Amino acid sequence: NAGVMQNPRHLVRRRGQEARLRCSPMKGHSHVYWYRQLPEEGLKFMVYLQKENIIDESGMPKERFSAEFPKEGPSILRIQQVVRGDSAAYFCASSPPLSKGDTQYFGPGTRLTVL
Amino acid sequence: QKEVEQDPGPLSVPEGAIVSLNCTYSNSAFQYFMWYRQYSRKGPELLMYTYSSGNKEDGRFTAQVDKSSKYISLFIRDSQPSDSATYLCAMTVSSYGKLTFGQGTILTVHP
Repeated sequence: NAGVMQNPRHLVRRRGQEARLRCSPMKGHSHVYWYRQLPEEGLKFMVYLQKENIIDESGMPKERFSAEFPKEGPSILRIQQVVRGDSAAYFCASSPPLSKGDTQYFGPGTRLTVL
Repeated sequence: QKEVEQDPGPLSVPEGAIVSLNCTYSNSAFQYFMWYRQYSRKGPELLMYTYSSGNKEDGRFTAQVDKSSKYISLFIRDSQPSDSATYLCAMTVSSYGKLTFGQGTILTVHP
């Protein structure tokens, strides 16, 4: 049973470019969460999505960041016009439907470096 | 003040020692408590998941939650060098809500 998959594992972008991070949840999981981990800091919540719906985006920066979880395909975290401060590890987590009541399982992360 | 406080360490212990890790929190609405282990440049791996106050044991790991004191602990018995990692506490108000993490404690178990 494959775990949470994220790609790419490493991404290098120059300032001003766009970054697209992908996350495929565990089989049977319908909830996806994105977290960011800056150097020397803990994980910070960004956004919580279900299929075709954003449930909680209270941790998302107001500009340049967006997320989606379409009916088909992986969840995408998109960062437009990246700046050096966006350099971090971005982790995706998934959890099963509410009726199964379980916690979040994390993927291996995407490490974004902005030059 | 951070919602979740965790001493970042680093903590260094000899192999076979009992390790005690802990977190304090300020939000009394937190109901679900987790401990994750994160190896360098890897994703967090779930170790323990508990609901409300009480103890939970799984092999060499024991998690304790004291909601009255807003304090949670993770004990590792017979620690091994392979336990060397960063340990993150996390908590949430609802079982499907966002997790709030502590900063993480860096643990090294030396042979």
